Amino acid sequence: QLQLQESGPGLVKPSETLSLTCSVSGGSISSSSYYWGWIRQPPGKGLEWIGSIYYTGTTYYHSSFETRVTISVDTSKYQSSLKLNSVTAADTAVYYCATAISGSYYHFDSWGQGTLVTVSS
Amino acid sequence: QSALTQPASVSGSPGQSITISCTGTSSDVGTYDLVSWYQQHPGRAPKLMIYEGTKRPSGISNRFSASKSGNTASLTISGLQAEDEADYHCCSYAGGSSSSLVFGGGTKLTVL
Repeated sequence: QLQLQESGPGLVKPSETLSLTCSVSGGSISSSSYYWGWIRQPPGKGLEWIGSIYYTGTTYYHSSFETRVTISVDTSKYQSSLKLNSVTAADTAVYYCATAISGSYYHFDSWGQGTLVTVSS
Repeated sequence: QSALTQPASVSGSPGQSITISCTGTSSDVGTYDLVSWYQQHPGRAPKLMIYEGTKRPSGISNRFSASKSGNTASLTISGLQAEDEADYHCCSYAGGSSSSLVFGGGTKLTVL
């Protein structure tokens, strides 16, 4: 059973970069063919897929974010990272990292608890 | 890559059945049998209830089932229980150059 935990600043200023890390325990992201997804949920709204990364480093981004997002994976540290540039108030959301134990790209059966990031000066 | 369309809310009484729809397009739901459904209680992370259209993960009650017709996927919950009250989100693979995933806006299920 994988446990995922997001971490990072809870407050980011407009125009700055949002940076989050997802740490994994209970398994190894280097020894299994996992995809790692980042999903966000603005307050009171639905889920929104930001992008995913394969353990090899291949990335897939939602077109709405592709010009300002970078997702990376560090298998030596059992971590994935999300960087979102030039943030605005619209980027205020709970950010989740997630994966599928089966190795599937298409769904997520293990989620972190989520971390609220507020964009405000 | 527009969001999938779900009703904002549905409701039902204990023991009844309800169905939540998730309407996409021929580019996502209509083409791929890769719809997943998630249950989310307030303040909690989403929980996978259905994947690859109709499959239930281990431990998920068979009261939860799913189907698809054309561009619309549906989640049915039978024998409603109080604990089923939650938000439900659908998600579909949408393909394309970025191998996109697209979510619906979520549906609030109220058990009366």
